[in-house]
Order: sequence, then structure tokens, then C-alpha cells
Amino acid sequence: DGGITQSPKYLFRKEGQNVTLSCEQNLNHDAMYWYRQDPGQGLRLIYYSQIVNDFQKGDIAEGYSVSREKKESFPLTVTSAQKNPTAFYLCASSISRQGKANVLTFGAGSRLTVL
Amino acid sequence: QQQVKQSPQSLIVQKGGISIINCAYENTAFDYFPWYQQFPGKGPALLIAIRPDVSEKKEGRFTISFNKSAKQFSLHIMDSQPGDSATYFCAASMDGSARQLTFGSGTQLTVLP
Repeated sequence: DGGITQSPKYLFRKEGQNVTLSCEQNLNHDAMYWYRQDPGQGLRLIYYSQIVNDFQKGDIAEGYSVSREKKESFPLTVTSAQKNPTAFYLCASSISRQGKANVLTFGAGSRLTVL
Repeated sequence: QQQVKQSPQSLIVQKGGISIINCAYENTAFDYFPWYQQFPGKGPALLIAIRPDVSEKKEGRFTISFNKSAKQFSLHIMDSQPGDSATYFCAASMDGSARQLTFGSGTQLTVLP
């Protein structure tokens, strides 16, 4: 079955530590995205990548970093510079077709809690 | 700047009733308006979407109504069922672009049995 796998599902971090969230897709989608979800605030875009070895900052990129070395993988690192990292993180992918509606396929999410 | 405003934040409906969630947008360049449904502990999934060239789109019990002049669109769930209990997000983008998708703040729907 095609889809997006995020791991770990739950993660606890001490203040000052960097953590990396994994995102793997087997949908052969070109574009991948990371969103942060907080109660009452909807989904906010952290980073996105349209192609391998290229990525762009979203609306709330400060304190986060990403890489896109393979088409299938788009890991997100939450650094110690992120002031309020406790949140639900969602990875998504889409076919990138200009002029056509690009439907997002989401993973099941990773919940990060800072202790 | 919140470009898509969604209301209500939460909604409780009896089984068999109609659930209505409203969204308003500011950017007149938006031309694609999807709704995503999210169950607890899961990622959102596309439910239904509309382009501004039509005023209504229906898929089963789910209907999007679109008012271009008022810059508003809404989701109607007819004959609401307990299995519809989820969080619903409206969104908007230009040229259907996913990277430019702006989400509303979400509505938590509870359908009582």
C-alpha cells in the first residue's frame, strides 16, 4: 500500500536537545511538506521541498531544519533554537502539477513533547 | 496574518442533524478551496474541494457551498453520523498549489448518538 510513514509516533525531548522526525513516502510524489499543528491554530507550514536537494522555508521555519537527499525521504530536525517545540508534526506529500489542484497526502503524525 | 477564518471552533450535533462549518477568506486570488477531515491521532485527508466557478459541490452527504461575492464557503454534512466526529479544516490556495495552501483553524465536530 502506498502512503507516508512518520516515526516516531511519540517523542519526548529534554530542553536543549535536537530531535529528528522521520518521514518516508512510497507514492513517488515529487513534493514533500512539514506542518506543525497546535490546538486552535490549524496547520502551519514549516518547510517544503519540490525536488531532491532543494527545499524552501515555510511560514514558521525558525528553529527547524530539513534535508532532501532522496525523493522518498524528508526528515525534520527540531533544534534547541525552537522556543516552543511541543506540538503535533505532520508530514505530507503531493504530486507537483502546475495549474492543477495538488492534493496533500498526510502521514499519521509525530507528537513531540518537551519535558 | 490569518487569511482563512473558520468557525465555529467546536460543534456538537445530534445524530441525523445537519452540521455546518463556515470559512471566510480575504485573498481574492484564491481559486481552490479544499476541506480536510482529521480523525484523532491521524493525519488529515482530503474530503471534498471546490473551484470558484461553481456555487455548490456535493459528494454523498457532504456539500460545499461557495459564495464568491461574499468571499465565504461552507461545509454542510447532512444526516450527520457519530462516525463523522472529527476535526475539519477548510483551506484555500492559488492555482491549486499545495505549497501555498492556507488552512483555517479547524472545527472539532462531535456527533452524539
